[in-house]
Amino acid sequence: DGGITQSPKYLFRKEGQNVTLSCEQNLNHDAMYWYRQDPGQGLRLIYYSQIVNDFQKGDIAEGYSVSREKKESFPLTVTSAQKNPTAFYLCASSRGQGLNTEAFFGQGTRLTVV
Amino acid sequence: AQSVTQLGSHVSVSEGALVLLRCNYSSSVPPYLFWYVQYPNQGLQLLLKYTTGATLVKGINGFEAEFKKSETSFHLTKPSAHMSDAAEYFCAVSVGYSSASKIIFGSGTRLSIRP
Repeated sequence: DGGITQSPKYLFRKEGQNVTLSCEQNLNHDAMYWYRQDPGQGLRLIYYSQIVNDFQKGDIAEGYSVSREKKESFPLTVTSAQKNPTAFYLCASSRGQGLNTEAFFGQGTRLTVV
Repeated sequence: AQSVTQLGSHVSVSEGALVLLRCNYSSSVPPYLFWYVQYPNQGLQLLLKYTTGATLVKGINGFEAEFKKSETSFHLTKPSAHMSDAAEYFCAVSVGYSSASKIIFGSGTRLSIRP
């Protein structure tokens, strides 16, 4: 089945550690996105990528980093510079060409700092 | 800048009653608009989308939305609520250029259904 796989589903991090969230898609989509979700704030865009080896900062990129070495993979690293990393993280992908293409979402990763 | 505003962070209706979730957008160009639904601890699922053409858009699970350019609105409705409709709903707009687009989401509306 085609879709987007995020792993792990739950992740615990100690303060000061970097962690990497995985996102893989087999939909052959060009565009991929990372969103952060906090209660009452909706989804905020962290980074997005339209093609391999290229990505752009979203609205809240500070403290995060990404790579897009393969079309199907878009991992997100939450660095120690991110002061409040506890949140629900959602990865999405879309065909990317044209504004009328909807995004398909993974099941999310819940990150908790302990 | 293009944006989406959802009026009401929480809406509660009785089972069988009309569901109305409000969404207004700001856009300097014709918008592409979406409604998504999210169940607890899950990703988002597309309910419906408006691109061009007919302004009344029908989606899954009996939901529909009407694009009203004069009111810059894209409200989501369902004639009769079901307990399984309890979830969080997000309105979204696609912004940018054809070759570099991104999707901006509203803050969400949590829908509760009373027995």
